[in-house]
Amino acid sequence: VQLVESGGTLVQPGGSLRLSCAASGFTFSAYSMNWVRQAPGKGLEWVSYISSSSSTIYYADSVKGRFTISRDNAKDSLYLQMNSLSAEDTAVYYCAQADITYYYAMDVWGQGTTVTVSS
Amino acid sequence: DIQMTQSPSSMSASIGDTVTITCRASQGISGWLAWYQQKPGKAPRLLIYAASSLQSGVPSRFSGSGSGTDFTLTISSLQPEDFATYYCLLANRFPQFTFGGGTKVEIK
Repeated sequence: VQLVESGGTLVQPGGSLRLSCAASGFTFSAYSMNWVRQAPGKGLEWVSYISSSSSTIYYADSVKGRFTISRDNAKDSLYLQMNSLSAEDTAVYYCAQADITYYYAMDVWGQGTTVTVSS
Repeated sequence: DIQMTQSPSSMSASIGDTVTITCRASQGISGWLAWYQQKPGKAPRLLIYAASSLQSGVPSRFSGSGSGTDFTLTISSLQPEDFATYYCLLANRFPQFTFGGGTKVEIK
């Protein structure tokens, strides 16, 4: 069971970026997924949730209207489109599986990908 | 929105100590609380879900309790590998997931 994030890089304020998360070792289409971020030296912040069929999507207030979560079950992949980025979005971004077995607590996590927003 | 307040934010403890970390919700959340351990540069690790259920593979010295608004993570007989930062998480209360602010457990 593995999640591997990619796409993190240095981006200018106001810019856009798309993160990807590749899943393997489990039936990706059966699980809800999340994005969680952690700013340097700070705590964990939940960003977004998507159900297994993409029928239900939620966002944290801090990213609503700027970020879009999506998934492609045929490709076992999760995405996060990030627009209008600011310095406050600088963080390590993790994708994490939400398992109903654990009442939607996140059990499997990727290693994270780093997004730096700076001019 | 429900706020999750974790305390203390940091603490010092010795090997063999019993450590207690508290998470308080701003309103009742039944038992929809999880606990995580995170070490520097690593992803969080699920320890406890549904307030008191131990995740498979987690040592039995970790335990969780509580319901409603007040929850506790207890580490009995602290081991060297337990020095880390711990987070609580409000889950299963859609549309919101909220982490507590974290508790850093350091060596005394």
